[in-house]
Amino acid sequence: KQEVTQIPAALSVPEGENLVLNCSFTDSAIYNLQWFRQDPGKGLTSLLLIQSSQREQTSGRLNASLDKSSGRSTLYIAASQPGDSATYLCAVGDDYKLSFGAGTTVTVRA
Amino acid sequence: DVKVTQSSRYLVKRTGEKVFLECVQDMDHENMFWYRQDPGLGLRLIYFSYDVKMKEKGDIPEGYSVSREKKERFSLILESASTNQTSMYLCASSFGSRTGPNEKLFFGSGTQLSVL
Repeated sequence: KQEVTQIPAALSVPEGENLVLNCSFTDSAIYNLQWFRQDPGKGLTSLLLIQSSQREQTSGRLNASLDKSSGRSTLYIAASQPGDSATYLCAVGDDYKLSFGAGTTVTVRA
Repeated sequence: DVKVTQSSRYLVKRTGEKVFLECVQDMDHENMFWYRQDPGLGLRLIYFSYDVKMKEKGDIPEGYSVSREKKERFSLILESASTNQTSMYLCASSFGSRTGPNEKLFFGSGTQLSVL
């Protein structure tokens, strides 16, 4: 059974600092890996999707890398802003199932 | 933009009641999913459907059933609600073939269900 871990569970940084969020998974036979953002009491918004054959994806200030062999992905958010405060979840796709990590809650202090 | 709409934002039900949670998507997606989200446990897959009238169990199907009579609508049914089914329920959809979820997953805003 796929296990997805996100460490740390919470992170607080001053505005302008770069954010580095980690995700690890136990089974490297994956279809894709997705990063999501969730605001309090809301649904999830897809940020980036990396196919299993890709090494990274970029969108604006966001960059996600994937290393299947080591079972790791990293989400980088450059020059953080207070509006980036949210919970970030990674999910690993295997056939139809996405296995989610518990998330990292980020607070960006103004 | 894809829109996934869940019929209720908050719901309060009594133990033993039959509960229906409705989800509608407007982008002709084949795949639809029901998750529940609990603090400390993350998101767990209850059921999913890759076509009309098709359904498959996820990781925690016990106490739940689903219905997909039309492509755009996926319903989650709690046959006899219990207090341990108090949770945030999230519906999601994606456009994909049977070979794998190679498309982004789009979520609804969620239904916070309280069973008293």
